Amino acid sequence: QVQLQESGPGLVKPSQTLSLTCTVSGGSVSSRAYYWSWFRQPPGKALEWIGYIYYTGSTWYNPPLKSRLTMSVDTSKNQFSLNLTSVTAADTAVYHCASVRAAREADNWGQGTLVTVSS
Amino acid sequence: DIQMTQSPSSLSASVGDRVTITCRASHSFSGFLNWYQQKPGKAPKLLIFGASSLQSGVPSRFSGSGSGADFTLTISSLQPEDSATYYCQQSWTLPLTFGGGTKVEIK
Repeated sequence: QVQLQESGPGLVKPSQTLSLTCTVSGGSVSSRAYYWSWFRQPPGKALEWIGYIYYTGSTWYNPPLKSRLTMSVDTSKNQFSLNLTSVTAADTAVYHCASVRAAREADNWGQGTLVTVSS
Repeated sequence: DIQMTQSPSSLSASVGDRVTITCRASHSFSGFLNWYQQKPGKAPKLLIFGASSLQSGVPSRFSGSGSGADFTLTISSLQPEDSATYYCQQSWTLPLTFGGGTKVEIK
Protein backbone atom coordinates (compact mmCIF):
# COMPACT_ATOMS: atom_id res chain seq x y z
CA GLN A 1 0.00 0.00 0.00
CA VAL A 2 1.17 3.49 -0.80
CA GLN A 3 2.30 5.47 2.23
CA LEU A 4 2.87 9.21 2.30
CA GLN A 5 4.67 11.44 4.79
CA GLU A 6 4.67 15.22 4.87
CA SER A 7 7.67 17.22 6.01
CA GLY A 8 8.41 20.90 6.41
CA PRO A 9 8.38 23.80 8.86
CA GLY A 10 5.53 23.99 11.33
CA LEU A 11 5.77 27.76 11.65
CA VAL A 12 5.94 30.29 8.82
CA LYS A 13 5.97 34.07 9.13
CA PRO A 14 3.34 36.15 7.35
CA SER A 15 4.30 37.14 3.79
CA GLN A 16 6.84 34.32 3.58
CA THR A 17 6.67 31.06 1.61
CA LEU A 18 5.24 27.83 2.93
CA SER A 19 7.18 24.84 1.59
CA LEU A 20 6.22 21.22 2.16
CA THR A 21 7.47 17.93 0.77
CA CYS A 22 5.65 14.61 0.58
CA THR A 23 7.72 11.43 0.51
CA VAL A 24 6.04 8.43 -1.07
CA SER A 25 6.82 4.83 -0.14
CA GLY A 26 5.29 1.57 -1.26
CA GLY A 27 4.59 3.11 -4.63
CA SER A 28 6.06 5.40 -7.25
CA VAL A 29 5.30 9.02 -8.10
CA SER A 30 5.92 7.88 -11.68
CA SER A 31 2.78 5.75 -11.54
CA ARG A 32 0.34 6.61 -14.33
CA ALA A 33 -2.56 5.67 -12.07
CA TYR A 34 -2.17 8.48 -9.58
CA TYR A 35 -2.30 12.23 -9.31
CA TRP A 36 -0.33 13.49 -6.34
CA SER A 37 -2.34 15.95 -4.33
CA TRP A 38 -2.31 18.41 -1.47
CA PHE A 39 -5.29 19.12 0.76
CA ARG A 40 -5.59 21.33 3.80
CA GLN A 41 -7.89 21.67 6.76
CA PRO A 42 -7.98 24.81 8.93
CA PRO A 43 -8.52 23.95 12.61
CA GLY A 44 -12.11 22.86 13.18
CA LYS A 45 -13.06 23.36 9.53
CA ALA A 46 -13.70 21.24 6.47
CA LEU A 47 -11.24 19.86 3.96
CA GLU A 48 -10.05 21.95 1.02
CA TRP A 49 -8.35 20.70 -2.14
CA ILE A 50 -5.21 22.68 -2.95
CA GLY A 51 -4.16 21.02 -6.19
CA TYR A 52 -2.48 18.02 -7.74
CA ILE A 53 0.43 17.12 -9.98
CA TYR A 54 0.93 14.24 -12.40
CA TYR A 55 4.24 12.45 -12.88
CA THR A 56 4.73 14.35 -16.15
CA GLY A 57 4.82 17.58 -14.17
CA SER A 58 1.39 18.75 -15.30
CA THR A 59 -0.44 20.60 -12.54
CA TRP A 60 -3.99 21.54 -11.65
CA TYR A 61 -4.55 24.12 -8.93
CA ASN A 62 -7.55 25.39 -6.98
CA PRO A 63 -8.21 28.80 -8.56
CA PRO A 64 -8.19 30.92 -5.36
CA LEU A 65 -4.66 29.68 -4.63
CA LYS A 66 -3.32 29.52 -8.17
CA SER A 67 -1.44 32.82 -8.18
CA ARG A 68 0.55 31.83 -5.05
CA LEU A 69 1.01 28.12 -5.67
CA THR A 70 3.69 25.97 -7.25
CA MET A 71 3.85 22.18 -7.15
CA SER A 72 6.69 20.01 -8.35
CA VAL A 73 7.57 16.33 -8.52
CA ASP A 74 10.97 14.68 -8.08
CA THR A 75 10.88 11.18 -9.47
CA SER A 76 14.47 10.45 -8.41
CA LYS A 77 13.56 11.01 -4.76
CA ASN A 78 9.98 9.71 -5.06
CA GLN A 79 8.72 13.00 -3.65
CA PHE A 80 6.44 15.83 -4.59
CA SER A 81 6.36 19.32 -3.14
CA LEU A 82 4.22 22.39 -2.54
CA ASN A 83 5.27 26.04 -2.34
CA LEU A 84 2.69 28.63 -1.28
CA THR A 85 3.92 32.22 -1.34
CA SER A 86 2.80 35.33 0.54
CA VAL A 87 1.10 33.40 3.31
CA THR A 88 -1.30 34.93 5.82
CA ALA A 89 -3.00 33.65 8.95
CA ALA A 90 -5.75 32.28 6.69
CA ASP A 91 -3.24 29.71 5.44
CA THR A 92 -2.89 28.19 8.91
CA ALA A 93 -4.06 24.59 8.56
CA VAL A 94 -3.17 20.92 8.71
CA TYR A 95 -1.73 20.11 5.30
CA HIS A 96 -2.17 16.57 3.96
CA CYS A 97 -0.60 14.99 0.92
CA ALA A 98 -2.50 12.20 -0.78
CA SER A 99 -2.60 9.94 -3.80
CA VAL A 100 -5.64 10.61 -5.97
CA ARG A 101 -6.61 7.59 -8.02
CA ALA A 102 -7.48 8.38 -11.61
CA ALA A 103 -7.76 12.03 -10.59
CA ARG A 104 -10.96 11.14 -8.73
CA GLU A 105 -10.71 9.69 -5.21
CA ALA A 106 -7.96 10.15 -2.60
CA ASP A 107 -7.23 6.63 -1.46
CA ASN A 108 -4.04 7.10 0.55
CA TRP A 109 -3.25 10.03 2.81
CA GLY A 110 -0.33 11.31 4.80
CA GLN A 111 -0.95 11.86 8.49
CA GLY A 112 -0.90 15.62 7.99
CA THR A 113 1.31 18.40 9.28
CA LEU A 114 0.13 21.52 11.07
CA VAL A 115 1.48 24.73 9.58
CA THR A 116 0.91 27.88 11.59
CA VAL A 117 1.36 31.29 10.02
CA SER A 118 2.40 33.71 12.72
CA SER A 119 5.07 36.26 13.46
CA ASP B 1 -17.42 25.47 -8.57
CA ILE B 2 -19.80 22.75 -7.37
CA GLN B 3 -20.89 23.45 -3.79
CA MET B 4 -21.54 20.41 -1.61
CA THR B 5 -23.98 20.67 1.31
CA GLN B 6 -24.17 17.94 3.90
CA SER B 7 -26.95 17.28 6.38
CA PRO B 8 -27.20 16.98 9.23
CA SER B 9 -24.07 18.74 10.48
CA SER B 10 -24.10 16.43 13.49
CA LEU B 11 -26.05 13.52 14.86
CA SER B 12 -26.12 11.26 17.87
CA ALA B 13 -27.22 7.65 17.55
CA SER B 14 -27.05 4.39 19.46
CA VAL B 15 -25.00 1.33 18.67
CA GLY B 16 -26.93 -0.77 16.18
CA ASP B 17 -28.89 2.15 14.72
CA ARG B 18 -29.16 2.76 11.00
CA VAL B 19 -27.60 6.15 10.18
CA THR B 20 -28.06 8.15 7.00
CA ILE B 21 -26.07 11.20 5.93
CA THR B 22 -27.03 13.18 2.86
CA CYS B 23 -24.97 15.30 0.49
CA ARG B 24 -26.53 17.70 -2.00
CA ALA B 25 -24.61 19.23 -4.89
CA SER B 26 -25.26 22.65 -6.40
CA HIS B 27 -25.15 21.08 -9.87
CA SER B 28 -26.14 17.61 -10.99
CA PHE B 29 -23.48 15.18 -12.07
CA SER B 30 -23.08 11.50 -12.66
CA GLY B 31 -21.56 9.28 -10.05
CA PHE B 32 -18.28 10.98 -9.16
CA LEU B 33 -19.01 11.28 -5.46
CA ASN B 34 -16.77 10.02 -2.68
CA TRP B 35 -17.23 9.62 1.07
CA TYR B 36 -14.48 9.88 3.69
CA GLN B 37 -14.33 9.18 7.42
CA GLN B 38 -12.08 11.28 9.62
CA LYS B 39 -11.31 10.68 13.27
CA PRO B 40 -9.81 13.44 15.46
CA GLY B 41 -6.17 14.08 14.71
CA LYS B 42 -6.14 11.54 11.88
CA ALA B 43 -6.09 11.66 8.11
CA PRO B 44 -9.33 11.12 6.19
CA LYS B 45 -10.05 7.55 5.12
CA LEU B 46 -11.77 6.74 1.83
CA LEU B 47 -14.96 4.74 2.42
CA ILE B 48 -16.98 4.97 -0.80
CA PHE B 49 -15.99 6.06 -4.30
CA GLY B 50 -18.04 6.52 -7.44
CA ALA B 51 -21.12 7.11 -5.27
CA SER B 52 -21.62 3.44 -4.40
CA SER B 53 -18.39 1.44 -4.65
CA LEU B 54 -16.97 0.22 -1.36
CA GLN B 55 -13.26 0.87 -0.92
CA SER B 56 -11.23 -2.26 -0.19
CA GLY B 57 -11.07 -3.12 3.50
CA VAL B 58 -14.07 -0.98 4.49
CA PRO B 59 -16.78 -2.84 6.44
CA SER B 60 -19.88 -3.73 4.47
CA ARG B 61 -22.14 -1.85 6.90
CA PHE B 62 -21.11 1.27 4.97
CA SER B 63 -22.91 1.90 1.70
CA GLY B 64 -23.43 4.78 -0.69
CA SER B 65 -26.13 5.64 -3.14
CA GLY B 66 -27.51 8.48 -5.20
CA SER B 67 -27.15 10.28 -8.47
CA GLY B 68 -27.80 13.68 -9.97
CA ALA B 69 -27.50 16.13 -7.12
CA ASP B 70 -28.45 13.98 -4.12
CA PHE B 71 -26.26 11.37 -2.53
CA THR B 72 -26.46 9.31 0.65
CA LEU B 73 -24.06 7.51 2.96
CA THR B 74 -25.67 4.82 5.10
CA ILE B 75 -24.24 2.98 8.07
CA SER B 76 -26.53 -0.02 8.44
CA SER B 77 -25.66 -0.84 12.06
CA LEU B 78 -23.67 1.83 13.88
CA GLN B 79 -20.63 0.60 15.79
CA PRO B 80 -18.64 2.42 18.50
CA GLU B 81 -15.65 2.78 16.17
CA ASP B 82 -17.81 4.69 13.67
CA SER B 83 -17.70 7.80 15.84
CA ALA B 84 -16.09 10.28 13.45
CA THR B 85 -16.73 13.12 11.03
CA TYR B 86 -17.85 12.13 7.55
CA TYR B 87 -17.22 14.20 4.40
CA CYS B 88 -18.57 13.93 0.89
CA GLN B 89 -16.43 15.09 -2.04
CA GLN B 90 -17.27 15.51 -5.70
CA SER B 91 -14.73 14.60 -8.35
CA TRP B 92 -16.92 15.42 -11.36
CA THR B 93 -15.12 18.65 -12.09
CA LEU B 94 -12.27 20.77 -10.83
CA PRO B 95 -11.84 22.17 -8.30
CA LEU B 96 -12.51 19.11 -6.19
CA THR B 97 -14.87 20.23 -3.44
CA PHE B 98 -15.98 18.82 -0.10
CA GLY B 99 -19.08 19.08 2.02
CA GLY B 100 -18.89 20.72 5.41
CA GLY B 101 -18.88 17.42 7.27
CA THR B 102 -21.24 15.45 9.50
CA LYS B 103 -20.10 14.61 13.01
CA VAL B 104 -21.45 11.27 14.20
CA GLU B 105 -21.49 10.62 17.92
CA ILE B 106 -22.45 7.50 19.80
CA LYS B 107 -25.11 7.87 22.49
